[in-house]
Amino acid sequence: AQSVTQPDIHITVSEGASLELRCNYSYGATPYLFWYVQSPGQGLQLLLKYFSGDTLVQGIKGFEAEFKRSQSSFNLRKPSVHWSDAAEYFCAVGGNDYKLSFGAGTTVTVRA
Amino acid sequence: GAVVSQHPSWVICKSGTSVKIECRSLDFQATTMFWYRQFPKQSLMLMATSNEGSKATYEQGVEKDKFLINHASLTLSTLTVTSAHPEDSSFYICSASLTSMEQFFGPGTRLTVL
Repeated sequence: AQSVTQPDIHITVSEGASLELRCNYSYGATPYLFWYVQSPGQGLQLLLKYFSGDTLVQGIKGFEAEFKRSQSSFNLRKPSVHWSDAAEYFCAVGGNDYKLSFGAGTTVTVRA
Repeated sequence: GAVVSQHPSWVICKSGTSVKIECRSLDFQATTMFWYRQFPKQSLMLMATSNEGSKATYEQGVEKDKFLINHASLTLSTLTVTSAHPEDSSFYICSASLTSMEQFFGPGTRLTVL
C-alpha cells in the first residue's frame, strides 16, 4: 500500500516570499502524485498532478512541483506567495487501484 | 468541466436518526466514486469505493452497516449514515473519477450530530 509523509505541519511565510512544501511518498511502483489545496470548510482543489514524463510539473495559481524518484519526493513550490495562498495543502499518492492516500497536510499562513 | 456536487452542504441531526448525503457528477459519467471522512485539522481518510451497479468496497475499520453507500447511476452516489451518533460528526467528502487516476472532489458535507 502507498503512503505519504508531509513533514511540515505548519509553515508561516511572508507575502511575496517563496514557499516550498515537502512531500515524501512510499510506493513500490511508479506513483501517481497530486497536490491539492483546501480552504476552510471547502472541498479540495487540484493544484497539479504527475503521472509520467517531465518531472517538473506546472500547476495552477503559479505553483510547480518536482518529482524526484531517487528521493521519493514531490515537493511543491511557489516563487512568490500571495495572501490568498493561505490554506491547507495536501499531497496525495495513487496506485493502480485508483485509490488515493493523503498526507497529513501542511497549513500555510501568510503574514503581511 | 468535471464538476462534482454534494448535497446538503451541511446538516444537523439528532442522535439516532439517519442522514443521507448525495454526491453527483454534473458533467461527466463517473465509473467510480469515493467517500472520504475528514476530522477537524486532519487529513482525508478513504471510507469506501463504489462502482455503479455494484456493492461498495469499504476500507478496513469502516462499518458497512453504519455507512450505507448506493451508487445507483453513473452520476449519483449516496452515503447514508444510519443511527448517527455524535462521534459520526465530521466533514464528508466525495470524489468521482472516469477511468483515469484523477479524482474530482465535491465541496464536502458538514455533519453535526447532536
